[in-house]
Amino acid sequence: SQTIHQWPATLVQPVGSPLSLECTVEGTSNPNLYWYRQAAGRGLQLLFYSVGIGQISSEVPQNLSASRPQDRQFILSSKKLLLSDSGFYLCAWSGLTSGRPNEQFFGPGTRLTVL
Amino acid sequence: GEDVEQSLFLSVREGDSSVINCTYTDSSSTYLYWYKQEPGAGLQLLTYIFSNMDMKQDQRLTVLLNKKDKHLSLRIADTQTGDSAIYFCAESLTEAGYSTLTFGKGTMLLVSP
Repeated sequence: SQTIHQWPATLVQPVGSPLSLECTVEGTSNPNLYWYRQAAGRGLQLLFYSVGIGQISSEVPQNLSASRPQDRQFILSSKKLLLSDSGFYLCAWSGLTSGRPNEQFFGPGTRLTVL
Repeated sequence: GEDVEQSLFLSVREGDSSVINCTYTDSSSTYLYWYKQEPGAGLQLLTYIFSNMDMKQDQRLTVLLNKKDKHLSLRIADTQTGDSAIYFCAESLTEAGYSTLTFGKGTMLLVSP
């Protein structure tokens, strides 16, 4: 079966510090991968998605970046965090396993607080 | 453009039925999904409906789709306190060979005993 992991689960960082959040998927190959942010009281905002190694598409301009160094690894980064980067970050994957290619499976999330 | 709208809050009593509504804008959507998010957790797929269906029933859940009005609803029968969560409606869109989901802002369902 497929599983998706995110770490860390929670993170408190000062403004201006760097960020690295990691997401890995097990039990499937060549998944589509997604990073979402959920700010307090708001819905899900798609930040990045990737259809393959080294292929990243950005949905919104921001000081965040994403990388996919391996097939099942997706990393969200920032060189300098802003207060507005606080939120709940969710990684998701989709693929052909379920028969519905755009069904997305979500990780447990990372709660980021920027002070 | 792509936009999915939901009411933000719904409060019901335990044992009542809950109906969560959603409107979407893209008539080319193939699947429409309902996800559930419990506090501090990721999203779990609850159910889905294919765009050529009008209704789908899955135990206590009933999904109704009105394609003409681009309206989707989720009915939870005999709502329990464990159903308290945020419910997200999402439409799937396919562009240039890959698919994405567009989510609504979520409806917070509060079930009181």
